[in-house]
Amino acid sequence: ETGVTQTPRHLVMGMTNKKSLKCEQHLGHNAMYWYKQSAKKPLELMFVYSLEERVENNSVPSRFSPECPNSSHLFLHLHTLQPEDSALYLCASSQERGLTEAFFGQGTRLTVV
Amino acid sequence: ILNVEQSPQSLHVQEGDSTNFTCSFPSSNFYALHWYRWETAKSPEALFVMTLNGDEKKKGRISATLNTKEGYSYLYIKGSQPEDSATYLCAFSSSNTGKLIFGQGTTLQVKP
Repeated sequence: ETGVTQTPRHLVMGMTNKKSLKCEQHLGHNAMYWYKQSAKKPLELMFVYSLEERVENNSVPSRFSPECPNSSHLFLHLHTLQPEDSALYLCASSQERGLTEAFFGQGTRLTVV
Repeated sequence: ILNVEQSPQSLHVQEGDSTNFTCSFPSSNFYALHWYRWETAKSPEALFVMTLNGDEKKKGRISATLNTKEGYSYLYIKGSQPEDSATYLCAFSSSNTGKLIFGQGTTLQVKP
């Protein structure tokens, strides 16, 4: 138990569906991250929020839309995804962006059919 | 583009062997270097965060060193045990952005 909780753990969605991934942390951290893990690739940074403000959008397609309503919650809204978007999506948080250890959730395994 | 390279990609050792992995990263705009252990079906878990050139950190049988001038870090495991089997990730953070960029990882398998 890392203190970072992601739901759902598994998700299967069609290409025309809209779904959302949720991440929650009650560690009092200021920074939250979305990462994508595809097979045989490094963890790929998607978005970074610092104090609820998006500070990084790593050239991610607009079919992925993040939302950070408060410092404890982070969402990733998914819309008209492609099969190649199937991957493990990991959320993380840290006290200070880049400088302190990141705590990861257990991830959402997403399959787009 | 920030490039973080890890080697080897995978490693198989016998229980009791000592081993080490390498992480290379950009030597400019250094902010921090992180090491994580990622066991199957679990979340990545932080081992060390190092910020100063020459830093050495130790946790039990695992230790790490940092050379920011030449852009590399080593992770050492002394007397490997089967429970050390995992993927070890390093991540570089630059002072410009604070982004945490990960390498591809080294997957360690320790045979009893």
